[in-house]
Amino acid sequence: AIRMTQSPSSFSASTGDRVTITCRASQGISSYLAWYQQKPGKAPKLLIYAASTLQSGVPSRFSGSGSGTDFTLTISCLQSEDFATYYCQQYYSYLGTFGQGTKVEIK
Amino acid sequence: EVQLVESGGGLVQPGGSLRLSCAASGFTFSSYWMSWVRQAPGKGLEWVANIKQDGSEKYYVDSVKGRFTISRDNAKNSLYLQMNSLRAEDTAVYYCARAGQQLAVYYFDYWGQGTLVTVSS
Repeated sequence: AIRMTQSPSSFSASTGDRVTITCRASQGISSYLAWYQQKPGKAPKLLIYAASTLQSGVPSRFSGSGSGTDFTLTISCLQSEDFATYYCQQYYSYLGTFGQGTKVEIK
Repeated sequence: EVQLVESGGGLVQPGGSLRLSCAASGFTFSSYWMSWVRQAPGKGLEWVANIKQDGSEKYYVDSVKGRFTISRDNAKNSLYLQMNSLRAEDTAVYYCARAGQQLAVYYFDYWGQGTLVTVSS
């Protein structure tokens, strides 16, 4: 099974910061990668798919990049509503696996 | 508006059974692969099972094979998960989720609100 590793597991940031989360696949997955945002007690929300395609309705401050094994999610100007946990997910192979999550907390 | 509404969760003893349901609306249910994804308390996400549009293909994570059965009723716009021989490690919020593309492996573009399954004596 393909393993997805996110870094860091958590960090603190301030409103207005530019933040980057990294996701690494244990083998190449082309661009078959999605990013989700999850707030406490809520379902995950799709942000990005195909590594860099923004889901309809998602603010343009979110962007994704990468291919193969290394991917990043960037939030260009962190807003108060962006404090949440973010997950990457590969859908290259059988039963696409998720990363362990990155929690973005208020500094 | 796409809506997915799960039901059927609750407290069950180890070895017991439970059937989860997901009522879909706002889209042509029969045109989409569908899945169950779970999240143990304080943990990450795990894809549990998925099912093709016509029910002819089903896939399961190894940890639930032989115990869980995914099914659907396109006439009722509903997805199901029959869970047997439940274990403590099956305790989680179970989400119904829609495929974002028409392939057997996919990302999820819509999720339900989840239903909590607690396996405990």
